[in-house]
This record gives sequence, C-alpha cells and structure tokens, in this order.
Amino acid sequence: DSGVTQTPKHLITATGQRVTLRCSPRSGDLSVYWYQQSLDQGLQFLIQYYNGEERAKGNILERFSAQQFPDLHSELNLSSLELGDSALYFCASSVGTSGNGETQYFGPGTRLLVL
Amino acid sequence: AQSVSQHNHHVILSEAASLELGCNYSYGGTVNLFWYVQYPGQHLQLLLKYFSGDPLVKGIKGFEAEFIKSKFSFNLRKPSVQWSDTAEYFCAVRSNQAGTALIFGKGTTLSVSS
Repeated sequence: DSGVTQTPKHLITATGQRVTLRCSPRSGDLSVYWYQQSLDQGLQFLIQYYNGEERAKGNILERFSAQQFPDLHSELNLSSLELGDSALYFCASSVGTSGNGETQYFGPGTRLLVL
Repeated sequence: AQSVSQHNHHVILSEAASLELGCNYSYGGTVNLFWYVQYPGQHLQLLLKYFSGDPLVKGIKGFEAEFIKSKFSFNLRKPSVQWSDTAEYFCAVRSNQAGTALIFGKGTTLSVSS
C-alpha cells in the first residue's frame, strides 16, 4: 500500500457525460500528479499540482481539468467524454515539486469505461 | 523526439531463469531513473530508483539495475525469477529537460512459468 488513495475504483459512464475522479496523497506529500494509462498511448502525464497550485501540464485535453484543495486532495474532472477516454487514471504524490531526487508514489487507479 | 524505450514488449521465462529488461532514454543532463512494477490488477509499485552515486542499485524482491551513463541505459536484472514476478515492468525517467513529470516506457510484460 503506497498511502495514496483514489476513488472510485471503477467508473462506467456514457459518451458526453462528465465524471470526477478523486485522489488523496500520502500524508505529508504536497504534490499530486495525474497520469492516464491506455493501451495505445501507455502511461502519460496529464497534470501536476503542488500545494494547491498548478505546477506542470502534460498531454491534458482541454475537456479535462483538475484542482487541488486546501486539504491537499485533488480531483480530476473529465467532461464531454468520448470512447477514447476509456483508460486507467492514476494519481501519484511526492513530497515536493519532484525536483532532483524525489520519488512519486502511485495510487491504485480509477478504471474509466466510456460506453 | 525525447523518449524512454523498453526493448522487449513481452518476455517469457521459466522459473529460476535470469532476467534482463532493457531501458534506454534520450534525455541529457541530470536524470532520475526508476523501475516500477504493476502486478495484475494492482497499482504501480516502486522496484528501485537511481538518483546519484553507485550506478548499481538494488531494489526490492532481489531486483537490481545498472545505470550506464554513456549508453543512456538503465537495465533491470534479476538472477533467478519466480512465478510471482509475473507482472508488467515500467522504466521511467525524470529529467530536468522534461520537467517534473515521469516519462514512462511502454512497459514489458513478464510471464514466468512454473
């Protein structure tokens, strides 16, 4: 158990809908990262928040957004869902801003299926 | 384009065989290197990491990896695999050139038969 928690574990929804994925980082970690794992793209970085502020952005679609709350938990919002958004979404956390010498610890993931 | 390459997509071994999984990256400068393992139905777990110092790093469950800077490689090894090592293995790099995110390879599926 990495100490990173994610809910829900599974999510089934329809195209055009909107969902929210939730992540709680390890105790003491200030950074939260979101990654998407799909069969064709592999594991890809979406976005990072550090202590409530957006820190880095990767291949995140405009239909997706995230935020980190004062208690440091984070939510990833996916809207206008398409079939291709079906994937495993991982959250990871680290102590600082993942500068040199930091480790990211991963949560169990949320499996999203868009029908 | 800058990337992380894992040479083997699927490796099949018998128990007690030796394992080596290749990983090459194309980032220069300071890099942090990681191997993560994903057992069936489970999340990514850290196997080992290299930040600096001794290029031969030892991780959990008998795994080790060697950082060869001149070859931009960080290969994972285990002298004798077990059936329980059946999993997907991911090499990941954090580079100053690529920012704070981990860049992952496509992964290698290891199947160990008993």
